[in-house]
Formats: sequence, C-alpha cells, structure tokens
Amino acid sequence: GAGVSQSPSNKVTEKGKDVELRCDPISGHTALYWYRQSLGQGLEFLIYFQGNSAPDKSGLPSDRFSAERTGGSVSTLTIQRTQQEDSAVYLCASSSWSSYNEQFFGPGTRLTVL
Amino acid sequence: GIQVEQSPPDLILQEGANSTLRCNFSDSVNNLQWFHQNPWGQLINLFYIPSGTKQNGRLSATTVATERYSLLYISSSQTTDSGVYFCAVEGSAGGGADGLTFGKGTHLIIQP
Repeated sequence: GAGVSQSPSNKVTEKGKDVELRCDPISGHTALYWYRQSLGQGLEFLIYFQGNSAPDKSGLPSDRFSAERTGGSVSTLTIQRTQQEDSAVYLCASSSWSSYNEQFFGPGTRLTVL
Repeated sequence: GIQVEQSPPDLILQEGANSTLRCNFSDSVNNLQWFHQNPWGQLINLFYIPSGTKQNGRLSATTVATERYSLLYISSSQTTDSGVYFCAVEGSAGGGADGLTFGKGTHLIIQP
C-alpha cells in the first residue's frame, strides 16, 4: 500500500497479558516513529528508529515496553504484563529522513486493557 | 524539552466562516507540521512548514520561525473541516531523533 499500515486496528486484552503491535512504514522510508495518544497525556512520542537502530529508548513509558525493527522495514511494539493505564491509541509514523523530514502517520491501534 | 501551545482550545463556527488557529513553540525547530485528526482518529497531513507560507485550496499556513509561532488559516469553512487540528514540532537541538512534540490541539466544530 501507499501509506503507513498498522495491525491490529483494535486490540482488547486482559490485564497482565502481553501484546504485540505491528507497523509497516511507507516503502523506502528509513525513519520510523511510535507515538501514543491517550485522553490524559495527549499525543506523546515513544521511540524512533533510523534503519534498524533505536538510539534513544528513554521515551518508552516503562521497562514493560520494547520495540524492534528488522530489515529496515516492519516494526513491532511489545507491551509486557499490560496494565489498564496502557490503554491508548498507538500510532506509528514514518519519514524519508532527508532535509524534508515530513512524518506520515498510520491509522493507529486502539488498545484496551480490561 | 520544547513546549507547544495551541489556541484557541475550542472553536465553534458557522459554515462559510473563516478561522485562524495559532501555534506557539518555545525553541528553534527543524520541522513543524499541521495535522487534521478526523473522526476516525487518522492524522491527516495538512502542511510541512518549518518556515514561510504555503497554501492548499482553502487552507493556508504561515510560520515565523524567528518569532516562534505558526498560524493555520481556514477560509469558507465546511462541515467536513470539523475535527481536531494539531500543531507538532521537532526541535533543532535534538538532531531529529526526538520525534514530534504535539500541542493539545484546537477542537473545531463547523455548524451547518
């Protein structure tokens, strides 16, 4: 497809379970970003990949969160032992990382932790 | 980190009216983008405008980087313009790896 895709679109899970969210960036985009949108916190940046490397993981909310990117393309965001406060929409964006670094967003994954 | 403030937080207008949304930011930026979040939550790119002026149909935007603000103009509003408008910036100090910092948005309602 032409845009950023994310799966699943919705995920309902029980507290304590692990979840994996997937992002497929625009073809050729080397930079990939994860964000979270929640009512209380607005839109917040989580982590950035340039190629397969994430130089700074300090934006991840806790050590239950991890992310990886393989082959310079698809990325997964994993949340272990989910808590109710993890409920949010998780958004992925990609950019071509040139002097024109416009980010394009996917439709998001709505995560609900019961 | 860089701070982003948007105003007004809410705006209700009649169809056909014009509006101006403002974004103030606290430091120099490499990137400034305006987005429209539609009712399904999708962030739609409106402008990539770290400086200067751009126009796209009924929408235009101006960023005055030296004074650290950006304006989004919507003319002849339509009901489909309703939604939340976000300004987001990437500070120049972070080397691009800090992602975008978003404002809290302006919630625009266009009444028929």
